[in-house]
Amino acid sequence: AQSVAQPEDQVNVAEGNPLTVKCTYSVSGNPYLFWYVQYPNRGLQFLLKYITGDNLVKGSYGFEAEFNKSQTSFHLKKPSALVSDSALYFCAVRDYNAGNMLTFGGGTRLMVKP
Amino acid sequence: KAGVTQTPRYLIKTRGQQVTLSCSPISGHRSVSWYQQTPGQGLQFLFEYFSETQRNKGNFPGRFSGRQFSNSRSEMNVSTLELGDSALYLCASSFGGGDHYEQYFGPGTRLTVT
Repeated sequence: AQSVAQPEDQVNVAEGNPLTVKCTYSVSGNPYLFWYVQYPNRGLQFLLKYITGDNLVKGSYGFEAEFNKSQTSFHLKKPSALVSDSALYFCAVRDYNAGNMLTFGGGTRLMVKP
Repeated sequence: KAGVTQTPRYLIKTRGQQVTLSCSPISGHRSVSWYQQTPGQGLQFLFEYFSETQRNKGNFPGRFSGRQFSNSRSEMNVSTLELGDSALYLCASSFGGGDHYEQYFGPGTRLTVT
């Protein structure tokens, strides 16, 4: 069975500072990893994915994520946070033989203060 | 290209009734997945349809069912509604049946059961 953990319910950062949202995962085979963002009363927006290749993945809106196989982690990062980045962030994993079934973490609320 | 559309956006039903939710995927996408989002349980996978066939099913009772039409549009049905079925139901579409394709989510249908 696959699982995802986002250990922080909320992350607070000041605008202009770097941000990190943590994610660890567990799958039986090779993982496909995703980050999504959700704004109030909206669906999920795709940010980035790791399938294979470079461990540092670049995505939308200046976000990037680092895949670490030994630590089974896929942390989301951004060098300089914006107030508009404040939202709910979800990490998700898909086992390579599980079709399109995503397993999501519990979500981390990012609050960026001016 | 138009995104994933879901209708209706909001719905209020009474316990014991049934409800049908509709999802139109992005043009050319053949896979449609459904997820339930609640404050307590987070995002949970319901089922996935690919080329009109159910490929995966989550751990939900048989009251939850779905189908996909030849034009890839999908419907989800919940019979004998319970208060606990109140949730945001999200539909996601993907071009392929897995591998490296990411899923794109619609805005969701907010179902309230009274």
